[in-house]
Amino acid sequence: NAGVTQTPKFQVLKTGQSMTLQCAQDMNHNSMYWYRQDPGMGLRLIYYSASEGTTDKGEVPNGYNVSRLNKREFSLRLESAAPSQTSVYFCATTGTGLNQPQHFGDGTRLSIL
Amino acid sequence: GEDVEQSLFLSVREGDSSVINCTYTDSSSTYLYWYKQEPGAGLQLLTYIFSNMDMKQDQRLTVLLNKKDKHLSLRIADTQTGDSAIYFCAESMNRDDKIIFGKGTRLHILP
Repeated sequence: NAGVTQTPKFQVLKTGQSMTLQCAQDMNHNSMYWYRQDPGMGLRLIYYSASEGTTDKGEVPNGYNVSRLNKREFSLRLESAAPSQTSVYFCATTGTGLNQPQHFGDGTRLSIL
Repeated sequence: GEDVEQSLFLSVREGDSSVINCTYTDSSSTYLYWYKQEPGAGLQLLTYIFSNMDMKQDQRLTVLLNKKDKHLSLRIADTQTGDSAIYFCAESMNRDDKIIFGKGTRLHILP
């Protein structure tokens, strides 16, 4: 009963390095989301995907790209990491239809030096 | 635009009731949620209320909704040390799949 699985759980990068954060869900949900959580800022939506093959920008998309390869997986890529991207990243999913609650992964803690 | 506001900190003595408050701006919200985040973990849905309800009770949790004032509260009765966490208020937009989160209230339990 995995739900939403994020990998890796922790990562340290140097400025300018690239990295892809992985998210996979086994709940057959259509919608998937990437958030970042910073102290005092709450959750900010980076990108979301309402269905396989579609992606849309959220509140803070700059510096990120996403890929929804199939229904299960939604990846977040940092092409050239910057210290301002040091954060905890959460993937979430919702079921079909409006007003469904979101189910979260345990997060990826990313530090950029 | 859409916004959800909540205080950042709350301290409560063990055994007392905790009341976490939230205000939201979008009157078209259909569902309002409370999530709990324990240290090192993701957000976990605690409870939710549909916008045509005034109150919902689930064991030690009571949610009150004042739709006129756009005010939502979460009451935790008999607060325990295990209730120490960050609590997020969130509203669901009626027009798309987005959920808007508040910044979270950190609940600290005093012995």
